Amino acid sequence: DIQMTQSPSSLSASVGDRVTITCRASQSINSYLNWYQQEPGKAPKLLIYKASSLQSGVPSRFSGSGSGTDFTLTVSSLQPEDYATYYCQQTYSTPLTFGGGTQVEI
Amino acid sequence: EVQLVESGGGLVQPGGSLRLSCAASGFTFSSYAMNWVRQAPGKGLEYVSVISNNGVSTYYANSVKGRFTISRDNSKNTLYLQMGSLSPEDMAVYYCARVSAGTTLSGALDIWGQGTMVTVSS
Repeated sequence: DIQMTQSPSSLSASVGDRVTITCRASQSINSYLNWYQQEPGKAPKLLIYKASSLQSGVPSRFSGSGSGTDFTLTVSSLQPEDYATYYCQQTYSTPLTFGGGTQVEI
Repeated sequence: EVQLVESGGGLVQPGGSLRLSCAASGFTFSSYAMNWVRQAPGKGLEYVSVISNNGVSTYYANSVKGRFTISRDNSKNTLYLQMGSLSPEDMAVYYCARVSAGTTLSGALDIWGQGTMVTVSS
């Protein structure tokens, strides 16, 4: 199975800050990497697919980059509604494993 | 409105069985592969199972293989997860989710239900 490692596991940031979360795969997954946002008590929401494509309706302050084994999710200017946990997921091979999550506190 | 609504969760004793359902609406259900993903209390997301749009192909995580069965009824726009030999480690919120790319088994999950809680306890 491909292991997905996110860092940091949690972070604290202020409104307006630029925030970066990283995700590392245990082997190359090309660009088959997705990012999800999960607000407390809610279902996950797809933000970014195939490493850098913005899902329809997602604010442009979210962006993704990377390929191979190293990936990044960036929030260019953190907003109060961005308080959530963020997960990466590889869809290169089954099982489609998730990272452990990064909790963002405002 | 595109929507997934799970049902069937509840309290079950260790060793027991439960069937979850996921009712889809607002899109052509038969054109999309579907997944179950679970989340134990206070923990991260865990991939459970996927089924192709026509029900022919399925895949299971090792943790549930042989105990869980995924199925679908395209005439009823409904996805199912039959769970057996349940243990406390299976206690979680179970989400159904749609594969955005349609028929592929391994795409991003673009539509999620609200989840249904399964509690395994005596």
